[in-house]
Amino acid sequence: NAGVTQTPKFQVLKTGQSMTLQCAQDMNHEYMSWYRQDPGMGLRLIHYSVGAGITDQGEVPNGYNVSRSTTEDFPLRLLSAAPSQTSVYFCASSYSTLASYEQYFGPGTRLTVT
Amino acid sequence: GENVEQHPSTLSVQEGDSAVIKCTYSDSASNYFPWYKQELGKGPQLIIDIRSNVGEKKDQRIAVTLNKTAKHFSLHITETQPEDSAVYFCAAESDYKLSFGAGTTVTVRA
Repeated sequence: NAGVTQTPKFQVLKTGQSMTLQCAQDMNHEYMSWYRQDPGMGLRLIHYSVGAGITDQGEVPNGYNVSRSTTEDFPLRLLSAAPSQTSVYFCASSYSTLASYEQYFGPGTRLTVT
Repeated sequence: GENVEQHPSTLSVQEGDSAVIKCTYSDSASNYFPWYKQELGKGPQLIIDIRSNVGEKKDQRIAVTLNKTAKHFSLHITETQPEDSAVYFCAAESDYKLSFGAGTTVTVRA
């Protein structure tokens, strides 16, 4: 199993550009989520999904969209990038539909918005 | 929503000594409290977790304690080794979501 994979590893965007961060898992996990990690602030939940076709907002959803058309994939879309979205983004998955089970994290995408 | 506070933000210990990290949470309905370890350039990895019906849990050199009345939980690492150097995050589950603390950077001095 590859586990949770994320692409790209690094990305630089200009303000106003849009892009999609890719996340895929091959463990048949129901629960998937996106976090952003900023210095001194831990990991903050952006969006999550408890199964294909079901998504919901986390703590910091503004400026981001998600969709879950398959169990395996959970892409995160930045609609119009802003410098405040400079961060490291992590995708995670869990076999349960609840957050109260081990979440497996991908290696992260480091995004810089200039 | 849930608010998780974590202390200290940095911790330096001599190899072989113990390390303790403390977290508090705000939502009394939270029932699941995991600890994650993040090594440089990698995603976080679960090292231990505890549920609200348990007061303490151990796994080799790592232990977690939970006080639901006071709404705080702690991570204890005994006999620290250089490979324990990393960033540690506590978290609390509430309403299908995990809320994380700000992290503790642990450095083990040889």
